[in-house]
Amino acid sequence: DQQVKQNSPSLSVQEGRISILNCDYTNSMFDYFLWYKKYPAEGPTFLISISSIKDKNEDGRFTVFLNKSAKHLSLHIVPSQPGDSAVYFCAARGSGNTPLVFGKGTRLSVIA
Amino acid sequence: EAEVAQSPRYKITEKSQAVAFWCDPISGHATLYWYRQILGQGPELLVQFQDESVVDDSQLPKDRFSAERLKGVDSTLKIQPAELGDSAMYLCASSLDENTEAFFGQGTRLTVV
Repeated sequence: DQQVKQNSPSLSVQEGRISILNCDYTNSMFDYFLWYKKYPAEGPTFLISISSIKDKNEDGRFTVFLNKSAKHLSLHIVPSQPGDSAVYFCAARGSGNTPLVFGKGTRLSVIA
Repeated sequence: EAEVAQSPRYKITEKSQAVAFWCDPISGHATLYWYRQILGQGPELLVQFQDESVVDDSQLPKDRFSAERLKGVDSTLKIQPAELGDSAMYLCASSLDENTEAFFGQGTRLTVV
């Protein structure tokens, strides 16, 4: 049973527009959420995180929104750039020594 | 910038052979993770260490996989014997502690033939 779900396997966006990547989770014990970006043949790179005590966290072009009641989070990238083309993974964790649980990823293609 | 180092980057091995991967976490990071990623899936945890102690190895196939972090610094993941289904990317990650973000190495791409 997948605890972290990324229901869109792929997304195409034009350069300069907003990219919105979505993630849903089922485990109400999760209290820390992260987004990672992955290029082919490389390890995931940490992008941005959010704690359950917040509903928004912003870092440059990247903003993560958390809706705890809906168990939903989203990553907004604006403006999107061709270099943003990669697979984006949503991950979540509970408190203490609990492991990061990843979604299956969404492949973002930013078209020039 | 500090990085998680993994070696080798690529490994091809015949089934039933033994294979080992090495990971050197970011200096000072107490928590170390080994993940496996199959193409089209997200990373799945194999084992988590806190210093030299195993915190979670519930998803590690212990009949063929073993992992150690003897001095609480670098770590080795071993598969013996390798099976065709073990072909995947093996990712090592580390974090300052269990409550902070994990940083990943570049991974080892294993192909079992």
